[in-house]
Amino acid sequence: QSVLTQPPSVSGAPGQRVTISCTGSSSNIGAGYDVHWYQQLPGTAPKLLIYGNTNRPSGVPDRFSGSKSGTSASLAITGLQAEDEADYYCQSFDSSLSGWVFGGGTKLTVL
Amino acid sequence: QLQVQESGPGLVKPSETLSLTCSVSGGSITSSSYFWGWIRQSPGKGLEWIGSIYYGGNTYFNPSLKSRITISRDTSKNQFSLRLNSVTAPDTAVYYCVRGLTVSLVLDYWGQGTLVTVSS
Repeated sequence: QSVLTQPPSVSGAPGQRVTISCTGSSSNIGAGYDVHWYQQLPGTAPKLLIYGNTNRPSGVPDRFSGSKSGTSASLAITGLQAEDEADYYCQSFDSSLSGWVFGGGTKLTVL
Repeated sequence: QLQVQESGPGLVKPSETLSLTCSVSGGSITSSSYFWGWIRQSPGKGLEWIGSIYYGGNTYFNPSLKSRITISRDTSKNQFSLRLNSVTAPDTAVYYCVRGLTVSLVLDYWGQGTLVTVSS
């Protein structure tokens, strides 16, 4: 059972927009800790996709965007492409655990 | 360009100790801007934080694993290590070493990961 809650799967057709939610609590996202998102392609290590709730590292397309409100955060992907098919994880810090917490991951399928 | 690389045995027997080392190049593990840690991913499962070591040597562990974990560092070699005692089959996973930024707590660099299987 992950501390942060994500939907197990989402899907969309090429060109469409999808969102992935990440719900936490008052000891993590709601406490003001930043939310970060990672993309994991099959057989590879996770790669940083969004940091500090809304920021994209250099090289990440602007089709990817993040937001945060209250105890939740969201990742939006517009103009879906086949190469976006991957697992996506949210991550934050939890004050009660004094450590990092992850969502359970969401598998994105591009139809 | 920073590089982090895990190394260690790929097979560990039940009840024995899993030992992994992360070698860091292109950056110092004693820089106050960063912390270092271990994440694992069981086959087909999500990501689990194991523990972290900060630039001053302070360590923090996942409460569910705390009694079995040691994280240490060798600053002369720019390496940090994980020891997980009394392993069982559920400890089978890909183990990643990571770098995090102390300001935002984001994990910005990940090693490629190493699969450790617990089996007799």
